[in-house]
Amino acid sequence: DGGITQSPKYLFRKEGQNVTLSCEQNLNHDAMYWYRQDPGQGLRLIYYSQIVNDFQKGDIAEGYSVSREKKESFPLTVTSAQKNPTAFYLCASTQRGEVGGELFFGEGSRLTVL
Amino acid sequence: AQSVAQPEDQVNVAEGNPLTVKCTYSVSGNPYLFWYVQYPNRGLQFLLKYITGDNLVKGSYGFEAEFNKSQTSFHLKKPSALVSDSALYFCAVRDTRTGGYQKVTFGTGTKLQVIP
Repeated sequence: DGGITQSPKYLFRKEGQNVTLSCEQNLNHDAMYWYRQDPGQGLRLIYYSQIVNDFQKGDIAEGYSVSREKKESFPLTVTSAQKNPTAFYLCASTQRGEVGGELFFGEGSRLTVL
Repeated sequence: AQSVAQPEDQVNVAEGNPLTVKCTYSVSGNPYLFWYVQYPNRGLQFLLKYITGDNLVKGSYGFEAEFNKSQTSFHLKKPSALVSDSALYFCAVRDTRTGGYQKVTFGTGTKLQVIP
């Protein structure tokens, strides 16, 4: 079945450490996104990528980095510069250019900083 | 700038009763509107969307939503609530520009509690 796979599901990090969250999709979608979810704040866009080797900052990109070397993969690194990284992280994809196309989401990764 | 408002943090409804989860939006042009559902510690699942045409949109699991352009609303409805409908519901609006990045803005979510 096609879908988006995020790993790990749960991750614990000590302050000062970088961590990388994996996102892989087999939907053949061009566009991929990373969102951060905090209670009562909805979803906030961190980074997005419309094609391979290209990505753009979203609304809250500070302290995060991404790469898009393959169409299927869009990993997110939470760096030590992110002051409040504890959150639920969601990866999504959609077909670029599709009129009114919905987002497809992974199951999320919950990061806790100890 | 586009925005979405979900005025109720939580909605409680008795099982078997009709439910409504409210959403209003603001966008410069014509909107694409979406509803998603999220169960605890899971990703979001798409329920339904409005692009154009009939103002009443039907989606998954018996849900429907009514687009009202004059009131800039897109309320989610279901005629008879199930306990299994208890979840967090998000309304979202997408820019209608074709090509390029189509920004999606989400509301803050409404927790639906269906009481047995």
